[in-house]
Amino acid sequence: GQSLEQPSEVTAVEGAIVQINCTYQTSGFYGLSWYQQHDGGAPTFLSYNALDGLEETGRFSSFLSRSDSYGYLLLQELQMKDSASYFCAVRDTGGFKTIFGAGTRLFVKA
Amino acid sequence: DGGITQSPKYLFRKEGQNVTLSCEQNLNHDAMYWYRQDPGQGLRLIYYSQIVNDFQKGDIAEGYSVSREKKESFPLTVTSAQKNPTAFYLCASSQQGAGDTEAFFGQGTRLTVV
Repeated sequence: GQSLEQPSEVTAVEGAIVQINCTYQTSGFYGLSWYQQHDGGAPTFLSYNALDGLEETGRFSSFLSRSDSYGYLLLQELQMKDSASYFCAVRDTGGFKTIFGAGTRLFVKA
Repeated sequence: DGGITQSPKYLFRKEGQNVTLSCEQNLNHDAMYWYRQDPGQGLRLIYYSQIVNDFQKGDIAEGYSVSREKKESFPLTVTSAQKNPTAFYLCASSQQGAGDTEAFFGQGTRLTVV
């Protein structure tokens, strides 16, 4: 089977750093992606990791460990506008379909 | 501008009716997807299509049907067999190459059964 697990909710204060973890189990693996979704909106792509290690894009970084089937999204210098849901996703090489986790709701407090 | 367009934004359906949600993309993407999202939940895959005239069931295909007659279009029909259709429906597209990693989403259709 295929599954992705991530925490349902995380709360942090403005200016802080927060890490959102994702563990996955898939029949094939083609990379781990992260998406952001504000309430009522469409998910937007944040980052992608195909190989082990850290990818940095501005305030956001994403990490992958293929041996541990684990990744995380790191958000630095949190801003109020970062309050949103964050989804990890994997592309299944067997089916060429993209599977999403249930999402982590991030609340940023002043 | 390239993008993916869903219509309508809001849709109301009477019980027992079939309704069709539109999804069009001009990104020249091979793959298209339909997801369902319930309040506070993640995205669940309904159907996906890797190429014209071909599509595969996702995890929750029962009560739904799709077609892929053109590369640009992937409409979703919510049939009367779908017992709980009220949800937010998202269409997405992506390339399928080794270096193509990003899925692009439409703005969604919010379907309500009245």
